[in-house]
Amino acid sequence: EIVMTQSPATLSVSPGERATLSCRASQSVGSNLAWYQQKPGQAPRLLIYDASARATGIPARFSGSGSGTEFTLTISSLQSEDFAVYYCQHFISWPPFTFGPGTKVDIK
Amino acid sequence: EVQLVESGGGLIQPGGSLRLSCAASGVTVSSNYMCWVRQAPGKGLDWVSIIYSGGSTFYADSVKGRFTVSRDDSKNTLYLQMNSLRAEDTAVYYCARILFGYVDYWGQGTLVTVSS
Repeated sequence: EIVMTQSPATLSVSPGERATLSCRASQSVGSNLAWYQQKPGQAPRLLIYDASARATGIPARFSGSGSGTEFTLTISSLQSEDFAVYYCQHFISWPPFTFGPGTKVDIK
Repeated sequence: EVQLVESGGGLIQPGGSLRLSCAASGVTVSSNYMCWVRQAPGKGLDWVSIIYSGGSTFYADSVKGRFTVSRDDSKNTLYLQMNSLRAEDTAVYYCARILFGYVDYWGQGTLVTVSS
């Protein structure tokens, strides 16, 4: 089973600043990676799929990159509504699906 | 517009059973890969089960033999029958649609609390 790790666990960022979140897979997943955003009390929301494709309605300040085992989610200029927990998930060989443990982005 | 609405959660004693439902609109359950994902309080996301459009089912090892996923095509509804519940099954359970391996639509979740 492929294990996903995310770093850092918590990222403190000021509004308007850039945030860079990392996700690593224990073995290559190609570009079969998605990112989700989850706000307190809400269901997760798909942000990025295929490592770099933005889902419908997702603002351009969100971008994904990487392939193989190393991936990055970048939020170019954090808005107040972006403070949330972000999860990555691989989908190269499923089931099972594997999510990363998440990165919490909070206000500095 | 796609809507997935879960129901059936609640407080249940260890060893008990519960059936969750997920009523879908804007998407045909029988034509899609559907899954259940859960989230324990303050924790991350864990996949629970999946049902393919062809009817094949798969389960996480932690629930295999205890949980059963099914669907009612006439009601466009997904179910999760949960038996022999344990404290560690306490979580918000989300119904979701899988598209090419990632989840593009999520329900709002239903809370299951297993406690005496």
